[in-house]
Amino acid sequence: QKEVEQNSGPLSVPEGAIASLNCTYSDRGSQSFFWYRQYSGKSPELIMFIYSNGDKEDGRFTAQLNKASQYVSLLIRDSQPSDSATYLCAVPRRGNTPLVFGKGTRLSVIA
Amino acid sequence: DADVTQTPRNRITKTGKRIMLECSQTKGHDRMYWYRQDPGLGLRLIYYSFDVKDINKGEISDGYSVSRQAQAKFSLSLESAIPNQTALYFCATSDMGDGGEQFFGPGTRLTVL
Repeated sequence: QKEVEQNSGPLSVPEGAIASLNCTYSDRGSQSFFWYRQYSGKSPELIMFIYSNGDKEDGRFTAQLNKASQYVSLLIRDSQPSDSATYLCAVPRRGNTPLVFGKGTRLSVIA
Repeated sequence: DADVTQTPRNRITKTGKRIMLECSQTKGHDRMYWYRQDPGLGLRLIYYSFDVKDINKGEISDGYSVSRQAQAKFSLSLESAIPNQTALYFCATSDMGDGGEQFFGPGTRLTVL
């Protein structure tokens, strides 16, 4: 199993719908999880992080973490065309090492 | 002013040339990283440095070298550029106290002809 896996997409949703992005990870010891958004040709920017099992909400974004099943998801409510981007999941390895990034899921919100 | 800056932003060069990409940060972070991004391959780590005296290879370090000149500066060199090093290059920084969150520079688009 790869360290961090994401469906590459594209995931297409109509404007106003809920977009659901998923990420699975292999290291059961991972403690923190990050979601980055990257517009085409631009740098990744952090939109959510989560440390505890359950849900964390920030505006239209909700991160969901299930450590037992080793997955983390990002829900985007009331999706807007401006949400069209690639979403990267990132997970720290154990020990003093950099984040491991998934390859990202491309989201397309159709007006 | 941007917290993480990269120069140049765009560069076109020829095979065999030596190229240096520079990264500077004003965030006061100890940790700095260099990534390359290619379509469909995601972000791949080239080198990283946890402090001025620490340099570590990432998953794709062959053909690259780095220099950590100061806490705020981390440069990436391609000693003899080749076409398959054409990519978008990102510098990033982090502070261990932030739990691993990384902050990215704007990127350098490098084309090797």
